[in-house]
Amino acid sequence: QSVLTQPPSVSGAPGQRVTISCTGSSSNIGAGYDAHWYQQLPGIAPKLLIYGNGNRPSGVPDRFSCAKSGTSASLAITGLQAEDEADYYCQSYDSSLSAVVFGGGTKLTVL
Amino acid sequence: QVQLVQSGAEVKKPGASVKVSCKASGYTFATYGVTWVRQAPGQGLEWMGWISPYNGKTNYAQKLQGRVTMTTDTSTSTAYMELRSLRSDDTAVYHCVRGGMNGMDVWGQGTTVTVSS
Repeated sequence: QSVLTQPPSVSGAPGQRVTISCTGSSSNIGAGYDAHWYQQLPGIAPKLLIYGNGNRPSGVPDRFSCAKSGTSASLAITGLQAEDEADYYCQSYDSSLSAVVFGGGTKLTVL
Repeated sequence: QVQLVQSGAEVKKPGASVKVSCKASGYTFATYGVTWVRQAPGQGLEWMGWISPYNGKTNYAQKLQGRVTMTTDTSTSTAYMELRSLRSDDTAVYHCVRGGMNGMDVWGQGTTVTVSS
């Protein structure tokens, strides 16, 4: 079981909006540590999608955004496209563990 | 361009050790930490630890303490991860990544380590 909890799967039709939640605790997201998000397409290394306070690396479209509230964070994808079908992971830092922690990952299916 | 290039796949017997290398290029190696992340077949991402090439400071995952050692060679801009006393559940793809707790922006291509008798 991961320190950060994500739903195992979400799905949506092309053009729709989906959100992926990432639930932590008072020692990680709730303590003020940022949640970062990664996209992993099948068979290749993960890619940084969003970091810090909603920053997107160069080349990441603004269809991807994030939010944070209390001990949870979320990733939103608008205008869903077939190429968005991938696994998504959240990541933060946990002060009790003195360790970087990942969510268990969420598989996004584009219907 | 900024990239991390890792060493090739390894097959090891239980109880053996493996050392994976990660050569950085396109940026000043000493100014970014290096994180190691592994992914077992069909599983999620697991943080293994972090090293600062600047001063050699390390932070290892508690479950790997005593079995893992991360080092860097700033003269060749290369990071190394050695894992000892290998078990079957160490079978995974191992990635080096630039960055750490504040986000990891450049990933190596991954090194498959298979532990099998």
